[in-house]
Amino acid sequence: DVKVTQSSRYLVKRTGEKVFLECVQDMDHENMFWYRQDPGLGLRLIYFSYDVKMKEKGDIPEGYSVSREKKERFSLILESASTNQTSMYLCASSWVTEAFFGQGTRLTVV
Amino acid sequence: DQQVKQNSPSLSVQEGRISILNCDYTNSMFDYFLWYKKYPAEGPTFLISISSIKDKNEDGRFTVFLNKSAKHLSLHIVPSQPGDSAVYFCAASEQRSSYKLIFGSGTRLLVRP
Repeated sequence: DVKVTQSSRYLVKRTGEKVFLECVQDMDHENMFWYRQDPGLGLRLIYFSYDVKMKEKGDIPEGYSVSREKKERFSLILESASTNQTSMYLCASSWVTEAFFGQGTRLTVV
Repeated sequence: DQQVKQNSPSLSVQEGRISILNCDYTNSMFDYFLWYKKYPAEGPTFLISISSIKDKNEDGRFTVFLNKSAKHLSLHIVPSQPGDSAVYFCAASEQRSSYKLIFGSGTRLLVRP
């Protein structure tokens, strides 16, 4: 079974903090994704990586950066957390077409 | 501009009846389409997919139909069961973008016992 593991289920951070969300996959997938899910807005793509050290901006990259130093790990970084970044964050990986998701991280910024 | 749209935020269906969830897209270059199911506090799970070279794909109670000329796809669930109650997301991708997945806003399905 494909496993995509996100480091935390729940996080509470203060405004202005630097936040790291970690994601690891065990299936040697080329592609990895970070999405956020908000009510009524669905899953919006933040960043996408199709290879190690390669990244591409998604629809809402502002306020975020990513790092992919190893194939199995894709990190999402909130440089200076703000309250409008309170959301459910979902990591996914794929070989070609079908993506597998982690369990999600519910981030609250206070 | 949303490339993948699910215009019905919610749908309520009686157990045993058919559930039909709809999805429209604008990018004619999309060549692969997927449906995901999501329960609260969990990540989405893959349900069924269809390539643009097909117009129908079936897996048990789930069937996806693709109408390329109308840029429309639908998911049929027959018969619907209370355990099908979840949020369903439609997604699309294209080979030239390394199959980057673009999602719709989701439809919440409630199957009433």
